[in-house]
Amino acid sequence: AQSVSQHNHHVILSEAASLELGCNYSYGGTVNLFWYVQYPGQHLQLLLKYFSGDPLVKGIKGFEAEFIKSKFSFNLRKPSVQWSDTAEYFCAVIPTGGGNKLTFGTGTQLKVEL
Amino acid sequence: DTAVSQTPKYLVTQMGNDKSIKCEQNLGHDTMYWYKQDSKKFLKIMFSYNNKELIINETVPNRFSPKSPDKAHLNLHINSLELGDSAVYFCASSQLSTLHDTQYFGPGTRLTVL
Repeated sequence: AQSVSQHNHHVILSEAASLELGCNYSYGGTVNLFWYVQYPGQHLQLLLKYFSGDPLVKGIKGFEAEFIKSKFSFNLRKPSVQWSDTAEYFCAVIPTGGGNKLTFGTGTQLKVEL
Repeated sequence: DTAVSQTPKYLVTQMGNDKSIKCEQNLGHDTMYWYKQDSKKFLKIMFSYNNKELIINETVPNRFSPKSPDKAHLNLHINSLELGDSAVYFCASSQLSTLHDTQYFGPGTRLTVL
C-alpha cells in the first residue's frame, strides 16, 4: 500500500517569502501525484497534479511542484506567498493503473502573516 | 453550478441517532467517494462506488452504509451515531481512468455528535 509523508505540519511565513512544502511518498510503482488546498472552512480544491511528462508542473495561483522520482518527492513551491495563501495543504498519491484509492498526507498548515 | 454538492453542510445530533448525508455530482463522472476528515485534518477514504457498484470499502464500522441510487448520487447513512463519528465528511467524484483520474471534492458536511 502507498503512503504519503508531509514533514512540515505547521509553517509560518511573512508575505512575499518563498514557500516550499515537502511531500514524500512510498510506493513501488508509478504514481499520479496531487496537491490540494483547503482554505479555512472550505472544501478541498485541486492546486496541481502530475501524471507524466515534464516533472515540473504549474498549478493555479502561482504554485508549482517538482516530481523527483529518485527521491520519491513532490514538493510544492511558490516564490512569493500572499496572506490569502493561508490554508491547509495536502499532498496525495494514487497508483497509476492500480485503482482509484487516493492516499493523502497529513497536511501542512500554512499561515502567512502580513 | 456546483460540481459536487453535499447536504446538509452542518449536522448536529445526539448519540444513538441515525442520520444521512447526501451527495450529488453534475460532472458526469462514473465514480464517487466518501472521505472522513478527523479533528487533526487527516483525510481517509471510506468508500468508493463506480457506476453504482462498491469498489472500495475501507475498514469502516458497518454502522456506515453508502447507497448509490445512480452514478450521480452517493449517500451515506450512519446508524447508532457515536461521539467518535464527529468529523467532516467529504464526498468526491472522478472519471475512473487508469492514467488521469482526478478527484473533485464537495464542500463537506461537518457532523457533530453530542
